[in-house]
Amino acid sequence: GAVVSQHPSWVICKSGTSVKIECRSLDFQATTMFWYRQFPKQSLMLMATSNEGSKATYEQGVEKDKFLINHASLTLSTLTVTSAHPEDSSFYICSASTGTMGTQYFGPGTRLLVL
Amino acid sequence: GQSLEQPSEVTAVEGAIVQINCTYQTSGFYGLSWYQQHDGGAPTFLSYNALDGLEETGRFSSFLSRSDSYGYLLLQELQMKDSASYFCAVRDRGTGFQKLVFGTGTRLLVSP
Repeated sequence: GAVVSQHPSWVICKSGTSVKIECRSLDFQATTMFWYRQFPKQSLMLMATSNEGSKATYEQGVEKDKFLINHASLTLSTLTVTSAHPEDSSFYICSASTGTMGTQYFGPGTRLLVL
Repeated sequence: GQSLEQPSEVTAVEGAIVQINCTYQTSGFYGLSWYQQHDGGAPTFLSYNALDGLEETGRFSSFLSRSDSYGYLLLQELQMKDSASYFCAVRDRGTGFQKLVFGTGTRLLVSP
């Protein structure tokens, strides 16, 4: 149980294009989803927290107009990297939780390469 | 703000015991978690300490001392497959949600 999937697993795009990453909780309802970014050999940095049906809460320094997050249902959250640039190349990982105190279950991650 | 410090790298041989330390500074502390991450993979949950003391889960144990803002992960009977990065993380309440703030990470290299 508690499986979280991400799609795509990796994506290569041209600079200036937008990329959408999906995060799904497959066997539970996730009231809260989190999006992280991880650069090579570095730790996971929380980008934003989203509750189903509410606007996402972004961490300091994360541009909400560049990283659009939608949490439209209890099983799906999407992260759209708008006008991607090479510096956005990273490993993006989502996690899902059944509540504010629940364990976070992580997706397998999406590796983004912007050329 | 929050900060969690870990050694950057630890090396050990198969069958040995290794301890990975984590010191933290945070407000609104609600517990310390440990995650394992293999190269290219997602973090997987290992253990959680809300109270002081030792929690044992198979070959892995985790310890917390809230008064010292310190914890450690103890790995016993090391296997090659334990080579991975290990992160401590603090469950820190922020803006009403249960956020995880991750430590700097420790890369464990297990050799034959």
